[in-house]
Amino acid sequence: GEQVEQLPSILRVQEGSSASINCSYEDSASNYFPWYKQEPGENPKLIIDIRSNMERKQIQELIVLLDKKAKRFSLHITDTQPGDSAMYFCAASVNSNNRIFFGDGTQLVVKP
Amino acid sequence: DMKVTQMPRYLIKRMGENVLLECGQDMSHETMYWYRQDPGLGLQLIYISYDVDSNSEGDIPKGYRVSRKKREHFSLILDSAKTNQTSVYFCASSLPGKDYAEQFFGPGTRLTVL
Repeated sequence: GEQVEQLPSILRVQEGSSASINCSYEDSASNYFPWYKQEPGENPKLIIDIRSNMERKQIQELIVLLDKKAKRFSLHITDTQPGDSAMYFCAASVNSNNRIFFGDGTQLVVKP
Repeated sequence: DMKVTQMPRYLIKRMGENVLLECGQDMSHETMYWYRQDPGLGLQLIYISYDVDSNSEGDIPKGYRVSRKKREHFSLILDSAKTNQTSVYFCASSLPGKDYAEQFFGPGTRLTVL
């Protein structure tokens, strides 16, 4: 199946700065790339996604970039706040089989 | 309000006991999933169900089995639980669409096997 690599595993940033999480995938057939945020003791929740017909998507302070040629995608959080501290998971999917392959997660810590 | 529910939320069992984790969804989603998540780690897929009685193994099916007799309900069974099955178990569901397969997660079941 698909393999998704996610880096870094831990990311510490100062409040107000930007945070970037990078993921890569192997299967060129993957066409859907969601990002999930998981707060301590909670379930993962979808925060933003991008489909293969797009290169960039922004929802408020969240920006997702997709480079299909390099098989890489990334999440950028601008003007980070303490409330952004959480575990973030990237994922890749080929919609035909409904399976989503998750990265191992990035623990984001936003320091006040 | 779309929802995935899980019961129980917390469970303590002794090694060798049987465990039943229940999951329900009210969205008529065809596909349902069981994952486990260990501290600081990602989500590992145990089983995926594409519809009633249409189940497939995920990446770590050993020691688990599943049952899906109704579309809205998906059970995870541990026959003779082991201490290394202590984990948080998440159920999820998705409605396969033409372009995406967003998954909705339940609140999780924290299982401790002593």
